[in-house]
Amino acid sequence: QVQLVESGGGVVQPGRSLRLSCAASGFIFSSYAMHWVRQAPGKGLEWVTLISYDGTNKYYADSVKGRFTISRDNSKKTLYLQMDSLRAEDTGVYYCARGVGGTLIDYWGQGTLVTVSS
Amino acid sequence: QSVLTQPPSVSATPGQKVTISCSGSSSNIGDNYVSWYQQLPGTAPKVLIYDNDNRPSGIPDRFSGSKSGTSATLGITGLQTGDEADYYCGTWDRSLSAYVFGTGTKVTVL
Repeated sequence: QVQLVESGGGVVQPGRSLRLSCAASGFIFSSYAMHWVRQAPGKGLEWVTLISYDGTNKYYADSVKGRFTISRDNSKKTLYLQMDSLRAEDTGVYYCARGVGGTLIDYWGQGTLVTVSS
Repeated sequence: QSVLTQPPSVSATPGQKVTISCSGSSSNIGDNYVSWYQQLPGTAPKVLIYDNDNRPSGIPDRFSGSKSGTSATLGITGLQTGDEADYYCGTWDRSLSAYVFGTGTKVTVL
């Protein structure tokens, strides 16, 4: 069965960096685009970034462009999110999710909490 | 702020039907398939509907989806207490080159 397991969350000071990882299993990782989606406490879902199956194409929400970098290692079946210059408004649960056909996100991880606070 | 607009909340008694609207534009809903997601309290989202009106295996037929122009609708019939959750629409926006989610709708079973 498809499994996505995020790790790397924690408490970090404003302006610092953090790297999230997502370990995938149960499907051919190298055949699927992958997303990061976040959710601030008590708020709705916010899409963060998308990477194509081969890592060639990357897309970012305006709110993180220039600060966050998505990448993947298909040999390790792992997705990454490098988050630099973190702000308080980046606080939330970050979900790793599998994309299909551009309009569907069909499997989600359990999420990892990132708290940006001094 | 989201480019897809949903009502903040809807409510009904058990057994009744509710509908949730999702209003967008020609660059998102008008140009692409729509998906719907259910998020139960404290859990990750789960897909309910994809490609406007298709249900993944395991999703009961009490859940239905439709699309017309730049709007989409999720319907839930035979409402159950276990349906209390937040519901989001989502699709790709070609102008933004970004995936967009709706503002979210909280369903309450009275």
